[in-house]
Amino acid sequence: GQNIDQPTEMTATEGAIVQINCTYQTSGFNGLFWYQQHAGEAPTFLSYNVLDGLEEKGRFSSFLSRSKGYSYLLLKELQMKDSASYLCAVRDPRNNQGGKLIFGQGTELSVKP
Amino acid sequence: DAGVTQSPTHLIKTRGQHVTLRCSPISGHKSVSWYQQVLGQGPQFIFQYYEKEERGRGNFPDRFSARQFPNYSSELNVNALLLGDSALYLCASSPGLAGGNEQFFGPGTRLTVL
Repeated sequence: GQNIDQPTEMTATEGAIVQINCTYQTSGFNGLFWYQQHAGEAPTFLSYNVLDGLEEKGRFSSFLSRSKGYSYLLLKELQMKDSASYLCAVRDPRNNQGGKLIFGQGTELSVKP
Repeated sequence: DAGVTQSPTHLIKTRGQHVTLRCSPISGHKSVSWYQQVLGQGPQFIFQYYEKEERGRGNFPDRFSARQFPNYSSELNVNALLLGDSALYLCASSPGLAGGNEQFFGPGTRLTVL
């Protein structure tokens, strides 16, 4: 079966650092995505990991360990606008065109002043 | 360049009716995937179309169907609507190449079934 787990909610303070974890159990692996989704809006792409290690992009970094089925999204210098839902998704390797993502339920992050 | 577009933005239907949702992918993208997102949950995969053929189907009843046109735009059809079909329907566009990264999502269609 396919299963993606991430915490339901997190709270952090403006200016701080927060780490959102994601664990997955899937039949095979072909890439992991992180998306940000503000309420009532579409998900926007943040990062993509297919190899082990850390990918850094500005205030956002994403880490992957394929052997542990584990990823995290690290947000630095938190801003109020970072309050959103963060979605972890794994691409289904059985789909040859890479068009099927399996999503976790999302982590609702609240940034407080 | 225009991103993924979807229409309509919002839609209200009653139980038993049918609905057609439309999606235009990013220029040059040949793959369109449809997702259903119920409030408080992550998106659930419904269909993927690539080069006008169905390439993947999620765990949804036969009331859900889709197609892709020669210009790579796509329609999602839902028949005999149920209250539980109320959700945000997202369309995602990608080049369609295996191993490529990124799916770009459209703004979604908010469907309310009364």
